[in-house]
Amino acid sequence: DSGVTQTPKHLITATGQRVTLRCSPRSGDLSVYWYQQSLDQGLQFLIQYYNGEERAKGNILERFSAQQFPDLHSELNLSSLELGDSALYFCASSVERGGTDTQYFGPGTRLTVL
Amino acid sequence: AQRVTQPEKLLSVFKGAPVELKCNYSYSGSPELFWYVQYSRQRLQLLLRHISRESIKGFTADLNKGETSFHLKKPFAQEEDSAMYYCAVGGSTLGRLYFGRGTQLTVWP
Repeated sequence: DSGVTQTPKHLITATGQRVTLRCSPRSGDLSVYWYQQSLDQGLQFLIQYYNGEERAKGNILERFSAQQFPDLHSELNLSSLELGDSALYFCASSVERGGTDTQYFGPGTRLTVL
Repeated sequence: AQRVTQPEKLLSVFKGAPVELKCNYSYSGSPELFWYVQYSRQRLQLLLRHISRESIKGFTADLNKGETSFHLKKPFAQEEDSAMYYCAVGGSTLGRLYFGRGTQLTVWP
């Protein structure tokens, strides 16, 4: 157990809907990262937050947004869902900004869009 | 620009055979290299980090700055080594780790 928690574990929803994924980082970690893992695309970096501020953006769609709250937990919001958004979504955390920090991953949220 | 290249998407070996998973990186500074392992689509776990120079589960990796490589090796593969392996590079000017696309290792009995 890395200490990073994610809820829910599974999520099944329909196209066009909106969902929120939640992540709690390890105690003391200031950076949170979101990744999408699909069978054909591998692990894709979406976005990074550091101490409440957006730090880096990757291949995140405009339909997706994220935030990090004062207690350092983070939420990833996915809207206007499409079938292709079905994937595993991982959150990771690290102590500092992340350039050389080990990232610790959560168990993931498996999203299925029907 | 892709910073980490894992040339093999799939790799299969028989139990007891040596295994090498390749990783090449691009970074002009002093790199930090990592290997992560993911069993059956569970969470990614840190396998080893070059700076710690540890051998985990029999795996080792040597940083070759000349060839910009950080290949993962194990002399005798076991069935329980079957998993997805990700190489990642970090650095003081990068701001985060960059992951490769991963290599799915299958060890046959």
